[in-house]
Amino acid sequence: QKEVEQNSGPLSVPEGAIASLNCTYSDRVSQSFFWYRQYSGKSPELIMSIYSNGDKEDGRFTAQLNKASQYVSLLIRDSQPSDSATYLCAVNDVYGQNFVFGPGTRLSVLP
Amino acid sequence: DTGVSQDPRHKITKRGQNVTFRCDPISEHNRLYWYRQTLGQGPEFLTYFQNEAQLEKSRLLSDRFSAERPKGSFSTLEIQHTEQGDSAMYLCASSLSGLASDDTQYFGPGTRLTVL
Repeated sequence: QKEVEQNSGPLSVPEGAIASLNCTYSDRVSQSFFWYRQYSGKSPELIMSIYSNGDKEDGRFTAQLNKASQYVSLLIRDSQPSDSATYLCAVNDVYGQNFVFGPGTRLSVLP
Repeated sequence: DTGVSQDPRHKITKRGQNVTFRCDPISEHNRLYWYRQTLGQGPEFLTYFQNEAQLEKSRLLSDRFSAERPKGSFSTLEIQHTEQGDSAMYLCASSLSGLASDDTQYFGPGTRLTVL
């Protein structure tokens, strides 16, 4: 059973701080990694995808991937109250046949 | 590109009734996925299509659930003899393909099902 694990939270950070979200996965043949944001009652929206080890930056968001440790993280710089949402980590295998979501981490950014 | 659309957005039904949901993917996307999500959980995979072919179906999906994508475009998900445990958000997503860099899934707004 392929698994994706995240801390459920809630993770609370003050406005302007860096929020750090973590995700581990069990399947070593995982090839593609995604972070989605989901507001309450809404569907997931893509923040970022990452395929290679290292860091990938997009605006205030940085994804970090370490395949050896089977670990992917998302950093949100200068956190805003509008970032308060559930963040879902998703992993796909090299065959594109096992797209698995973690349970999500609820982030609360306090004004 | 109008994104992934789903219809209806909300459905309230009585236990034992049948319901059908529709999903229209992004037009050039070959893959279409169905998920179910309950409160506090991540999306749970149900099934997916590559064009019109249904390639995988979750073992968690009972025989009361069936999905089709007859022409490789829109898809329908039918639940027969609904139970209260079927109450959830049903999400549809599409991707260009399953290969790395083209496998990003884009989600529709979801259909929220309430079974009374």
